[in-house]
Amino acid sequence: DGGITQSPKYLFRKEGQNVTLSCEQNLNHDAMYWYRQDPGQGLRLIYYSQIVNDFQKGDIAEGYSVSREKKESFPLTVTSAQKNPTAFYLCASGAGANVLTFGAGSRLTVL
Amino acid sequence: ILNVEQSPQSLHVQEGDSTNFTCSFPSSNFYALHWYRWETAKSPEALFVMTLNGDEKKKGRISATLNTKEGYSYLYIKGSQPEDSATYLCALGAGTARQLTFGSGTQLTVLP
Repeated sequence: DGGITQSPKYLFRKEGQNVTLSCEQNLNHDAMYWYRQDPGQGLRLIYYSQIVNDFQKGDIAEGYSVSREKKESFPLTVTSAQKNPTAFYLCASGAGANVLTFGAGSRLTVL
Repeated sequence: ILNVEQSPQSLHVQEGDSTNFTCSFPSSNFYALHWYRWETAKSPEALFVMTLNGDEKKKGRISATLNTKEGYSYLYIKGSQPEDSATYLCALGAGTARQLTFGSGTQLTVLP
């Protein structure tokens, strides 16, 4: 079945550590996105990529980094520069400007 | 950053009741309005994508309307069922990049 796989589902990080969240899709979608959700807020765009080897900052990119070396993969690294990284992270993909397909999410907690 | 507002924030209804909620957005540079349903412990799933003023979409007991001139969309659920319990998100696509800006959602609970 086609879809998006995010891993890990739960992740704990000590302060000062970088962590990488995985996102893989087999939908052959060109565009991929990372969103962050905090309680009481809408999904906020961190980074997006519309083509391999190219990506753009979203509204809250500070403290995050991404890569897009393959069409299927769009990993997100939460760096130690991110001051408040505890959140729920959603990856999505889309074909052009059409509807998004989401993964199941990763919950990151900083200890 | 665009401001997309959803109301109410949460809603409890009895099984069989019909309900509706609102998504408000700035009408300039409009490209598309998306509705998603997000059930607990699942991924958000697309319900509708609307692009034209006056659009009406329907899927089973759920329907949506769009007014781009005044900047709002309504989502209606007829005869709510417990399985309709979820958070309903709207998202605005606007500008040249057409990236989606999400509202904070309406959390619907249908009581049996």
